[in-house]
Amino acid sequence: DIVLTQAPLSVSVTPGESASISCRSSKSLLSSKGITSLYWYLQRPGKSPQLLIYQMSNLASGVPDRFSSSGSETDFTLKISKVETEDVGVYYCGHRLEYPYTFGAGTKLELK
Amino acid sequence: QVQLQQSGAELAKPGSSVKISCKASGYTFTSYYISWIKQTTGQGLEYIGYINTGSGGTNYNEKFKGKATLTVDKSSSTAFMQLSSLTPDDSAVYYCAREGDIGTRYWGQGVMVTVSS
Repeated sequence: DIVLTQAPLSVSVTPGESASISCRSSKSLLSSKGITSLYWYLQRPGKSPQLLIYQMSNLASGVPDRFSSSGSETDFTLKISKVETEDVGVYYCGHRLEYPYTFGAGTKLELK
Repeated sequence: QVQLQQSGAELAKPGSSVKISCKASGYTFTSYYISWIKQTTGQGLEYIGYINTGSGGTNYNEKFKGKATLTVDKSSSTAFMQLSSLTPDDSAVYYCAREGDIGTRYWGQGVMVTVSS
């Protein structure tokens, strides 16, 4: 199975400042179709996970453009600019390259 | 709007089985696969498997073969997951989610399963 390693495990951010979360894959996530199969999710406290980013850099519908993602075939970064109260929760990266799809362990974002 | 409504929390005894449901609305049920995902504090999020809601065909994570059985009832737009031979390690929150071209955008609210004697 592909292993996704996230860092840091937790991050504390002052509202209005930026935050970055890293995700490293044990295997290239570039598919034969030229799509990088890396996804980012946010799970707010007590809620179901929510899709933020698909195919490495595409914002899901309704997600504010304060969120952005970039990377290579194995190393990825989610950036949240001007962090707001509603951004608090656990961020997961996940892949859909091959089954079983897997997730990273999560990064908890808190406010200072 | 797309909704996935899951059944209520379950308390089960070790060795027993539970069957949880995921009722879809707001779209054509058979046009999208349904995945099931397990969440625990220790193991995080794990994909269990997915079902082709049109054909009933399934694909399971090897780890959950023999543990989970996925089915659908097209007449009621409902997907089901049965968990058998329950142990305390099966205690978790279980989500259903709709598969699509851009991944799992829609998730159910989750079902907490507690296995305890």
